[in-house]
Amino acid sequence: DIVMTQSPESLAVSLGERAIINCKSSHSLYSSFIKNYLAWYQQKQGQPPKLLIYWASTRESGVPDRFSGSGSGTDFTLTISDLRAEDVAVYYCQQYSSYPYTFGQGTKLEIK
Amino acid sequence: QLTLKESGPTLVKPTQPLTLTCSLSGLSLSSTKVDVAWLRQPPGKALEWLALVYWDDDKHYSPSLKNRLTLTRDSSKNQVVLTMTNMDPVDTATYYCAHRLYGAFDSWGQGTLVTVSS
Repeated sequence: DIVMTQSPESLAVSLGERAIINCKSSHSLYSSFIKNYLAWYQQKQGQPPKLLIYWASTRESGVPDRFSGSGSGTDFTLTISDLRAEDVAVYYCQQYSSYPYTFGQGTKLEIK
Repeated sequence: QLTLKESGPTLVKPTQPLTLTCSLSGLSLSSTKVDVAWLRQPPGKALEWLALVYWDDDKHYSPSLKNRLTLTRDSSKNQVVLTMTNMDPVDTATYYCAHRLYGAFDSWGQGTLVTVSS
């Protein structure tokens, strides 16, 4: 199985500032044919996850451009710019390069 | 717009099987290439992918649970059914069904909490 490791486990960021969440995979998620098989989700308390980013950097329809994904191979980053109160959530990365699909352990984002 | 809704028992006794139904609306399983997955999330823990059925009925299961899981696509009812045998208290979780887009999951049901307890 591909192991997904997120860092940090939690972080507190001031409103209007930038939050950066990292995700590292145990195997490369890159395919020269299609790109990087990595997605990012936001999960607010009591709600199902919401897809933010797929193919490592493609924003899902309706997701604000404050959310951006980057990285390739085994190292990926989710950046949230101009942090707002509604961004408080747990964020997960997920690989879909091979079965079984696997998720990171989550990063809890709070307001400082 | 595709919506998904999970249904099934909220309480299951240890060793008993669990059957969950994912009902889809907004897209037809019989006429559209729709791939549906099941995932779960124990209270306070991370997400875990369980199984996936493709539009052509090709199925994939988590190796750690493969012997306990069965997926069934019912196009006539627009439903995907997950059966998990031999339930244990560690299987207590919120179970989600979700639509697969390229491998990511772009639409999710609200989830159903299943507690395994005697």
